[in-house]
Amino acid sequence: AQSVTQLDSQVPVFEEAPVELRCNYSSSVSVYLFWYVQYPNQGLQLLLKYLSGSTLVKGINGFEAEFNKSQTSFHLRKPSVHISDTAEYFCAVSGYSGGSNYKLTFGKGTLLTVNP
Amino acid sequence: DAGVIQSPRHEVTEMGQEVTLRCKPISGHNSLFWYRQTMMRGLELLIYFNNNVPIDDSGMPEDRFSAKMPNASFSTLKIQPSEPRDSAVYFCASSLALGGRDNSPLHFGNGTRLTVT
Repeated sequence: AQSVTQLDSQVPVFEEAPVELRCNYSSSVSVYLFWYVQYPNQGLQLLLKYLSGSTLVKGINGFEAEFNKSQTSFHLRKPSVHISDTAEYFCAVSGYSGGSNYKLTFGKGTLLTVNP
Repeated sequence: DAGVIQSPRHEVTEMGQEVTLRCKPISGHNSLFWYRQTMMRGLELLIYFNNNVPIDDSGMPEDRFSAKMPNASFSTLKIQPSEPRDSAVYFCASSLALGGRDNSPLHFGNGTRLTVT
C-alpha cells in the first residue's frame, strides 16, 4: 500500500516570497513522485516528476522539488512566487511493482494563495 | 492536440435520475482514468482502463456507478440512480502507458461538475 501526506492544507504567502509545500509518502516498493497543479475550474497539470537519477528535479514555472529517500519526502519549492502561482498543488506517488500493476495515489492537496 | 475532452462541463440533476459523463482521451494514449474530487475526500481514483480493458475498479463506490470504454477514443461514467452525495467534480485523465519505467504522466480534462439535488 502507498500513501501521500501533504502536511499543509493551505499556505498563504506574499508575492516574491519563497515558498515550500511539504509532501511525505509511504510505499513498500520503489516509487516515482510527482507534483501536479490545479488552477481554478481546470484539471490537474503536471508540474514536475522524479523517476530516478538526480534528487533535485526542476519543473515548469520555476518550481523545483527534492527527493529525500531517508525522510520519504518530496517537498516542492519556489524561491520567489507570483500572484499567478495561486492554485492547488497535489503531490502524488506511483508505486511500480512490476507487470502492469500501477496506481497513482494523490495527496489531499495544498492551496497556495499568493497575496500582493 | 486538443487534450482530454470531457462533457458536459456542468450537470445539474435531481436525485434518482441517471447521469452519464463522457470522456475523449488524447489520441494514442492507452490508459484512461476516472477520478472524483470533493472537498472532504480530495481526489479519488474510481476506475482505470488499459487498452480499453478495465484494470482496477476497486474505487467505484457502489453498484450505482459503472464505467465503459467501448473503443480507444471514448469512455463513459454512469451513475444510476444518482444521489445528492454523488455531487462532486469528476475528472477523466489519460496517459501514454500504464506502468513501465517512464510512468507517463496523466493528462487531465477540465472535469464535469455534477450537482444532484
